[in-house]
Amino acid sequence: EVQVLESGGGLVQPGGSLRLSCAASGFTFSSCAMSWVRQAPGKGLEWVSGISGSGGSTHYADSVKGRFTISRDNSKNTLYLQMNSLRAEDTAVYYCAKHVSSSIWLNYFDYWGQGTLVTVSS
Amino acid sequence: SYELTQPLSVSVALGQTARITCGENNIGYKNVHWYQQKPGQAPVLVIYRDSNRPSGIPERFSGSNSGKTATLTISRAQAGDEADYYCQVWDSSVVFGGGTKLTVL
Repeated sequence: EVQVLESGGGLVQPGGSLRLSCAASGFTFSSCAMSWVRQAPGKGLEWVSGISGSGGSTHYADSVKGRFTISRDNSKNTLYLQMNSLRAEDTAVYYCAKHVSSSIWLNYFDYWGQGTLVTVSS
Repeated sequence: SYELTQPLSVSVALGQTARITCGENNIGYKNVHWYQQKPGQAPVLVIYRDSNRPSGIPERFSGSNSGKTATLTISRAQAGDEADYYCQVWDSSVVFGGGTKLTVL
């Protein structure tokens, strides 16, 4: 059974940092690209960042470029999102989502985690 | 930037057919995917590549895509179908529609 489980969310002050993790199981992790998608309270889905199965290709939304870094450790079946210079508008539930292939491009998400809440507030 | 237009809300009578649209110029040339999100839950893929259903998704869910509009159709709507529905395409990055709240009356 495919499972993805996020962790690492919490309350952080503006300008602070946080690292999210996503532990995956039930599929060949290195064969699948992964993404982070967020949802602000009461709002829609916003794609944040994606990484290819090998980790060699990464892509970011303009809203987080230069502040967030996506990475993965295929030996640990774990996806990460390092978030720096956090702003109030980054407050959201962050979902880890599995792509159907190893490429980020022209792709969609067949499994999602339950999400972890990040709150940026003083 | 590429934007997908969805109606904010759609209502359907129990047992009738609901249609949720996703619009953009030339969307017919793209692969459209649809997700269902119930309150407090993660999104679930219900249609991929315009009209394909993942395993476990009822046949009542179907999709089409042509010209400027992609459509998610839910036949014989049930109370359990009440949710937010999002369309998604790839256009140099992942793009989601704004979401449509489906109410079953």
